[in-house]
Amino acid sequence: ELKVEQNPLFLSMQEGKNYTIYCNYSTTSDRLYWYRQDPGKSLESLFVLLSNGAVKQEGRLMASLDTKARLSTLHTTAAVHDLSATYFCAVGGTSYGKLTFGQGTILTVHP
Amino acid sequence: DADVTQTPRNRITKTGKRIMLECSQTKGHDRMYWYRQDPGLGLRLIYYSFDVKDINKGEISDGYSVSRQAQAKFSLSLESAIPNQTALYFCATSDFSGSRGNQETQYFGPGTRLLVL
Repeated sequence: ELKVEQNPLFLSMQEGKNYTIYCNYSTTSDRLYWYRQDPGKSLESLFVLLSNGAVKQEGRLMASLDTKARLSTLHTTAAVHDLSATYFCAVGGTSYGKLTFGQGTILTVHP
Repeated sequence: DADVTQTPRNRITKTGKRIMLECSQTKGHDRMYWYRQDPGLGLRLIYYSFDVKDINKGEISDGYSVSRQAQAKFSLSLESAIPNQTALYFCATSDFSGSRGNQETQYFGPGTRLLVL
């Protein structure tokens, strides 16, 4: 059974600081997704990572995937208040289409 | 207009009542999913459908049923609602047949907030 764990679950940062969210998963997969959820809102797709060593960047966010370590990271450089949200990683299983989500990381960026 | 819509957006019901949550999409995707979100647990898959005639149970299907009325419509029913079904429910879609390789990102609706008293 595929298990996905994120840490930390809560992250409170000052603006301008860097932070990293970690996503570990238990079985082999070649598809990992990062989503953002604002309070009371739906999930918005941020990144899709499909191969070992994949790195994608959008603005202040950068995601990477190490399939050998079964680990993905979501890194922010110089956080700003706009990035406050809940971030989820989701891992694809052996059946295309099915995703297993992590618990989510609630990020709060303080001025 | 939103590509994935859910109705109702909020619902309060009583224990034992039957309710239906509806999802419609205009994205033309073949695959549709129902998830529930509970604080600290992430999203858990209830049912998924790869096409109109292909419906599968997810991680937590007990107490739920679904109907795929058309490619664009996927409904979730709670036959006899109970308080621990209070949650935020999301519908999602993905495009397998048209996706680039195996990318198949899932796109989520706005959610239905359900309270069972």
